[in-house]
Amino acid sequence: DQQVKQNSPSLSVQEGRISILNCDYTNSMFDYFLWYKKYPAEGPTFLISISSIKDKNEDGRFTVFLNKSAKHLSLHIVPSQPGDSAVYFCAAPFQGAQKLVFGQGTRLTINP
Amino acid sequence: DGGITQSPKYLFRKEGQNVTLSCEQNLNHDAMYWYRQDPGQGLRLIYYSQIVNDFQKGDIAEGYSVSREKKESFPLTVTSAQKNPTAFYLCASSTNLQETQYFGPGTRLLVL
Repeated sequence: DQQVKQNSPSLSVQEGRISILNCDYTNSMFDYFLWYKKYPAEGPTFLISISSIKDKNEDGRFTVFLNKSAKHLSLHIVPSQPGDSAVYFCAAPFQGAQKLVFGQGTRLTINP
Repeated sequence: DGGITQSPKYLFRKEGQNVTLSCEQNLNHDAMYWYRQDPGQGLRLIYYSQIVNDFQKGDIAEGYSVSREKKESFPLTVTSAQKNPTAFYLCASSTNLQETQYFGPGTRLLVL
């Protein structure tokens, strides 16, 4: 049962434009969400998070939006830079946070 | 520098052989985790440990074993019972089970 879904396996964006990565979830008990960025052959790096009491969290070029009624969150990167090319995972803590449930990941490619 | 280290970067296993992946952290984190990543899939939890001398099974613990004799170390053994061990293995740690997890660089395990 895939409780966190990233339906776009890949996304290609021109440098300087906005990148929007999407994530859907099915478990209404999730109350905290995280985005991780992963380069090939490296471990994921924590990027940004959002609590369900908020609908937006911003950190520099990265903004995460949460729509609880739609069970949907999105990560916006603006402006997109070549170094942003990576795989992005959304994740949610489950069962008292000892278990992080991950989406399948979206590979973002920023084109010059 | 504080961080999480995993070794080796690449590991080869022969049929019927047990192999052990190392994970060390000097972040003074109580909680540690092991995940497995397969192509096109999100990370799946193998085992986690809340505190020294305690660990719990995750979603896919069969064929794996762990120990947590020291706070900074959480080695993972891939036993011969694990029939499909080829994957990228990621170790993570967090202050406690409710805090953000930070990942090591990963170990790629290949079967000869």
